[in-house]
Order: sequence, then structure tokens, then C-alpha cells
Amino acid sequence: DARVTQTPRHKVTEMGQEVTMRCQPILGHNTVFWYRQTMMQGLELLAYFRNRAPLDDSGMPKDRFSAEMPDATLATLKIQPSEPRDSAVYFCASGLSITDTQYFGPGTRLTVL
Amino acid sequence: DAKTTQPPSMDCAEGRAANLPCNHSTISGNEYVYWYRQIHSQGPQYIIHGLKNNETNEMASLIITEDRKSSTLILPHATLRDTAVYYCIVSRSNDYKLSFGAGTTVTVRA
Repeated sequence: DARVTQTPRHKVTEMGQEVTMRCQPILGHNTVFWYRQTMMQGLELLAYFRNRAPLDDSGMPKDRFSAEMPDATLATLKIQPSEPRDSAVYFCASGLSITDTQYFGPGTRLTVL
Repeated sequence: DAKTTQPPSMDCAEGRAANLPCNHSTISGNEYVYWYRQIHSQGPQYIIHGLKNNETNEMASLIITEDRKSSTLILPHATLRDTAVYYCIVSRSNDYKLSFGAGTTVTVRA
């Protein structure tokens, strides 16, 4: 049963520290999405990759967030420096194509103290 | 993208059908209706989608009205594991952006 995997599942860090979240998309999927979920804002799209190239990161705070896909099996979301308002659950999703169903990972719950 | 309106919550008895309504009165001709659900502490899970014809898969059925201004997701035999937040989303087929609203919190009771 192919699934999107995310690590770590939980992360507690202090304000100002760098945080890196990783995602392994389903093998063969060439589209990857990063979402953030908070109680106040719900699920928000942060960034989108196709064939490892970032196509849309308009939802991402540019000054502190960065997203990359160093290879087809790994996507990363980095926050530097982290702030308490970044506390949220971060989900990665992948799909076969832009029009395909998005398959979500289990999420990384980030707490910034 | 067209906006959707869903009831904030609903209860359902285990073993009975759960009918989840969604209004999307401003839907455009090239917009699909998607349903996802999110079980507590998990990532959203795709359920079903459709354009104008009714659709059925192993999880659920989707009934879209003829004018496409509303739809109903049917879980034929709800189980306790179907307790989740259900999201109705309207999106163009070539648009990757899924706008998740507040959804409907469905509680299945024994």
C-alpha cells in the first residue's frame, strides 16, 4: 500500500531554531504539495512542485520558509528562524499529475516555544 | 473557485447511511466537486469526485443535482471509523489548488 511518508511526526523547538521537515512522495508521483493546518486558518497550501521544480510558493512566507526537492524521492520544507506562530501541522501530499487526486501524508506537528 | 457551504456538524447512527449535503450555487461548468475527509490526527483522505454525473466507488456515492448547484455525499453504511471532518471542494480540473473550508464534522454513534 503506497503512502506518503513524513518525518518527523512531531517536533518541538525553541523560537529562532531551524526546522526541517521531510516528505517522501509516493513512488512515481511527480507533483508534491506542502500544506499547513491550524485551528484558526484551517488547511492552507504553502507550495507546489512538479517534476521537482517549484511552480507555486505564493502561500509561503518568503523570508523564513523554503521548500526544495533535491530528488524525486525527497521534498523538504525548512523554516529558519522559526517563530511561535509557525506552530501547526504541516502536511505533504503527492499526485501523479496536476489533475490527479492528492494523497496526503500523516503530517508533522510542529510546536515552536 | 466557487465557494461551498456545508453544515458544521451532523450525527449518524452506526450502520445507517450518512447523507452529507454541500451547496455550491456559483459552480462553473468546468469545475468538479471533490470530497475529502480528515480523521482526527491524520492527513486528508480523498473520497470521490464528479463533474455532473453521479459517481460511486468503494467508499461512497456522490449525487450531483441536475443544475449542479448542490451535491450529496452518501456513506452507505456508516461505521465508527467514518467519524471525521468531511470537506466538499469545488475546483477546476486543471487547478491544483484545493481550498479546504471548515467542512462538516460527522460523528458516527454506536
